[in-house]
Amino acid sequence: IAGITQAPTSQILAAGRRMTLRCTQDMRHNAMYWYRQDLGLGLRLIHYSNTAGTTGKGEVPDGYSVSRANTDDFPLTLASAVPSQTSVYFCASSASYWHEQFFGPGTRLTVL
Amino acid sequence: TQLLEQSPQFLSIQEGENLTVYCNSSSVFSSLQWYRQEPGEGPVLLVTVVTGGEVKKLKRLTFQFGDARKDSSLHNTAAQPGDTGLYLCAGRNRDDKIIFGKGTRLHILP
Repeated sequence: IAGITQAPTSQILAAGRRMTLRCTQDMRHNAMYWYRQDLGLGLRLIHYSNTAGTTGKGEVPDGYSVSRANTDDFPLTLASAVPSQTSVYFCASSASYWHEQFFGPGTRLTVL
Repeated sequence: TQLLEQSPQFLSIQEGENLTVYCNSSSVFSSLQWYRQEPGEGPVLLVTVVTGGEVKKLKRLTFQFGDARKDSSLHNTAAQPGDTGLYLCAGRNRDDKIIFGKGTRLHILP
């Protein structure tokens, strides 16, 4: 079934540890996105990629990095996790930037 | 920073009633999208409005983009329990960044 997958589903992480959230899509979409969703704050864009090989900063990029080595994969890395990065992280993709976004099931991350 | 303010934040109504959810900004957006999100899942696109004054219908839902492209509304006629969820509006601002509102949590009581 075509779609977008995220891993892990959930993770508990000690502060200071490095963590990579994985995202893969098989729809051959050009654009991919990472959001975090916090209660009362809605969805906030962390980083995005218009096409393989390019990335851009969203609304809340600090403490996160991304790479887009190929069309299908868009990993999000927390170099040194902090408790304020506790959140639900959603990856999304679209045929091109701002077109209909298809979201993954999310990763629930807790940083202690 | 351009913001999208959604109101109300929470809404609980009886099945069969009508409701309207608003998405407002002090700035112009080139277009707006409405998404619906169910618990434990990612948002799903309902509609994109592009032209000022545009009205789009999706079953019992009517979406309108304001003439000045600063606001949008979602009207639900005869809401059903299956409409329960979090409704989010999203806009593409003049810096080409995607901004989401904080959402309206809707609960339809049977």
